[in-house]
Amino acid sequence: AQSVTQPDIHITVSEGASLELRCNYSYGATPYLFWYVQSPGQGLQLLLKYFSGDTLVQGIKGFEAEFKRSQSSFNLRKPSVHWSDAAEYFCAVGAGTASKLTFGTGTRLQVTL
Amino acid sequence: GAGVSQSPSNKVTEKGKDVELRCDPISGHTALYWYRQSLGQGLEFLIYFQGNSAPDKSGLPSDRFSAERTGGSVSTLTIQRTQQEDSAVYLCASSRGTGGRRTDTQYFGPGTRLTVL
Repeated sequence: AQSVTQPDIHITVSEGASLELRCNYSYGATPYLFWYVQSPGQGLQLLLKYFSGDTLVQGIKGFEAEFKRSQSSFNLRKPSVHWSDAAEYFCAVGAGTASKLTFGTGTRLQVTL
Repeated sequence: GAGVSQSPSNKVTEKGKDVELRCDPISGHTALYWYRQSLGQGLEFLIYFQGNSAPDKSGLPSDRFSAERTGGSVSTLTIQRTQQEDSAVYLCASSRGTGGRRTDTQYFGPGTRLTVL
């Protein structure tokens, strides 16, 4: 069965600083990887996804993520954080056709001005 | 529709009562999913529909939970004899479900916050 680990429960960064959120997955075959963001009281919004091909994927709001098979990682990055990026971020893995997503426990991002 | 919609947005009920939660998927999406988000358990999968069939019900926590989907569109999640531990945000998602070997992108609704007193 697949699993996802997000080792950082809470991260605080200053506005304008760079950001990296960690995600490690466990899955025996080709993983399908996603990052979602959730603002307070809102549903999940897709930031980006990796299916195959280029291991560096670009998403919305200036986010990118890099898939590293050797490290079983799919870390999310942003070069310069904005105060509006404060939210909870979830990494997820899917196992194939129309399958359920398995989520990590999330990382709450706080941005200081 | 423009996105996945869910109703009600908030539901407060008394222990032992039954509740129904509704999900309207994105038009044309054949796959529909229910997840539950709670403080202690994070985001958990409940059930997946392809059309009106539910090939994966593995996440339903007990027989008090059931779901149906009609006309390949709207889905209802029913919780009977609610318990306090059922308090959570129930999220619905839909995807194209067009087949192939890779996981579809799932688009989520805003959720229904259920509070059981």
